[in-house]
Order: sequence, then structure tokens, then C-alpha cells
Amino acid sequence: AQTVTQSQPEMSVQEAETVTLSCTYDTSESDYYLFWYKQPPSRQMILVIRQEAYKQQNATENRFSVNFQKAAKSFSLKISDSQLGDAAMYFCAPQGGSEKLVFGKGTKLTVNP
Amino acid sequence: DAGVIQSPRHEVTEMGQEVTLRCKPISGHNSLFWYRQTMMRGLELLIYFNNNVPIDDSGMPEDRFSAKMPNASFSTLKIQPSEPRDSAVYFCASSRKGGAFFGQGTRLTVV
Repeated sequence: AQTVTQSQPEMSVQEAETVTLSCTYDTSESDYYLFWYKQPPSRQMILVIRQEAYKQQNATENRFSVNFQKAAKSFSLKISDSQLGDAAMYFCAPQGGSEKLVFGKGTKLTVNP
Repeated sequence: DAGVIQSPRHEVTEMGQEVTLRCKPISGHNSLFWYRQTMMRGLELLIYFNNNVPIDDSGMPEDRFSAKMPNASFSTLKIQPSEPRDSAVYFCASSRKGGAFFGQGTRLTVV
């Protein structure tokens, strides 16, 4: 079974500042991926960043990076130099060999000018 | 690639009517997912297919919901009969190992 916990229903950040969104998960799979998705008001689900669980190096995509702690089953997302366009719901999800993809409840990020 | 294509984008129907949502996944993707999103329940996985075979339908709320994937390029989610509490945004997503890509969603309103 897969479970995902995003303990921060809402977060806010000042433009140009850094914010970290937290996610913990549980999965019975030994080989899996972890993802962060962004859902802006347009409701489109956008893949932001992915991490392969067997890789120790944390993934980065421009201003987005993750802190992956496999033993703790923690997968946080750091957004640097926050921009107004980063305002959205953010969802965390693991995906293993079974391909099942289950999301957390999400964190609503507000970016203040 | 055109991405995952869902139709219709919006659907308004009367209670008791049959509703069919459609999805064309990305070519080459071997998994397909149907999700329902509401404010109260968030993003719920209803069912997913792997190589056109339903793998897990434990999220399907009740017998009024059914999903099919007759081939690798098409899937449907049917609600019969529809009820006002089925009002939500329904997403289809397709995946191969390493990430899923979503359609634009169908906003369903049952009045």
C-alpha cells in the first residue's frame, strides 16, 4: 500500500524568498520514483520534479530542488527565488513498479509580492 | 505529441442521466489512471490500468461507476446513473516508468 502525508495544508512565501514543502510517504516497493506536481488555478497538473529512489543525489530543476531522505521516507521540495507564478497547489506522489500513483492532500502555496 | 486528451472539457447533466468521459493517453505509455478531484476529498485515484488491464479499482466509489480500456489508445469512465455528489473534476493521466502526464480534466456538474 502507498500512503502520502503532506502536513502543511497551506504555506506562504515572499517573492524572491525560499520555501520548503514537506512530504512523507510509505511504500512497500523497493524501487520507486517520487514526484512533485504543481496545479495552478488553471487546474492543469504539471510535473515539477522527479527523484529515483535508488539515486542518492537529490534532484534539481532550475529553482526547484528536493531533499530526499530515503530511510526517513521524506521527500521535501525547495523552491528558491519564489516567483508569483509559483503560486499553486503542490502534490507529492511515489510511484513504484506496480505503477500505482497516489497523491497526498496537497499544499497550497501563496506567493506574496 | 499532443499529450493526454480528455473529452469533454465540461459536462453539465441532469441527475439520473448517464455520463461518459473519454481519454486518449500518450502513445507508448503503458499505464492509465482516472482521478476525481473535489475540494473535500482532494485528488482520489479511482482506477488504473496497466497494458489495458484494470489493476486496481478499489477507488471506484460504487457500482454506478465503471471504466474500460478497450485498446491502448482509448479509455472511458462511465457514471450511470449520475448524482449531484458526482460533481467534480475528473482527470485522466498516462504513464510509463518515471512519471505520469495529465489531461486537462473534465469538469462534471450534475444538477
